[in-house]
Amino acid sequence: NAGVTQTPKFRVLKTGQSMTLLCAQDMNHEYMYWYRQDPGMGLRLIHYSVGEGTTAKGEVPDGYNVSRLKKQNFLLGLESAAPSQTSVYFCASSYLGARGFNEQFFGPGTRLTVL
Amino acid sequence: AQSVTQLGSHVSVSEGALVLLRCNYSSSVPPYLFWYVQYPNQGLQLLLKYTSAATLVKGINGFEAEFKKSETSFHLTKPSAHMSDAAEYFCAVTPRSSASKIIFGSGTRLSIRP
Repeated sequence: NAGVTQTPKFRVLKTGQSMTLLCAQDMNHEYMYWYRQDPGMGLRLIHYSVGEGTTAKGEVPDGYNVSRLKKQNFLLGLESAAPSQTSVYFCASSYLGARGFNEQFFGPGTRLTVL
Repeated sequence: AQSVTQLGSHVSVSEGALVLLRCNYSSSVPPYLFWYVQYPNQGLQLLLKYTSAATLVKGINGFEAEFKKSETSFHLTKPSAHMSDAAEYFCAVTPRSSASKIIFGSGTRLSIRP
């Protein structure tokens, strides 16, 4: 199993450009998440999905859109990139354990720089 | 709202010394609790988890954590630090009322002195 994979690993954008980050998981997990990680701020949830065809806003959703057309994929889109979106982006997937706990599995991250 | 507090953004210990990383949660109902580790330029990986079974939880790489309801704490310890333990550590909780979400602390960077 590859687990959670992210494409691309690195990207440099100019302000105003658009791009899509792809997350794929092969563990048949229902839940998928997009986080951004910035120095001193830990992980902040951007959007998440509790199943195919569903998405929900997290803590910092502005400037991002997501889609979950297939259970195994979760796409994060930036329509008009801004320097404030320079960050490391992590995707995660999870299942709901028998007792209701949520154990998340993370991808390796995408390092995005917006000039 | 549920929150997680990690005391100390940076902890430095000598190789062979005790590691203690602190985590406190705010909830009247004990949540599910996790510790994750992030090595440089990598994603997070699960170190250990508390799911209402034993209050002392053993994880990978010799780490363990003890759930203390009276103190609303879930501190991470390791008896003897190794150079390879240098990483960032995140405490996280899943509220029992909202199992689809996980809330992360701000992280503690652990440095090991030779």
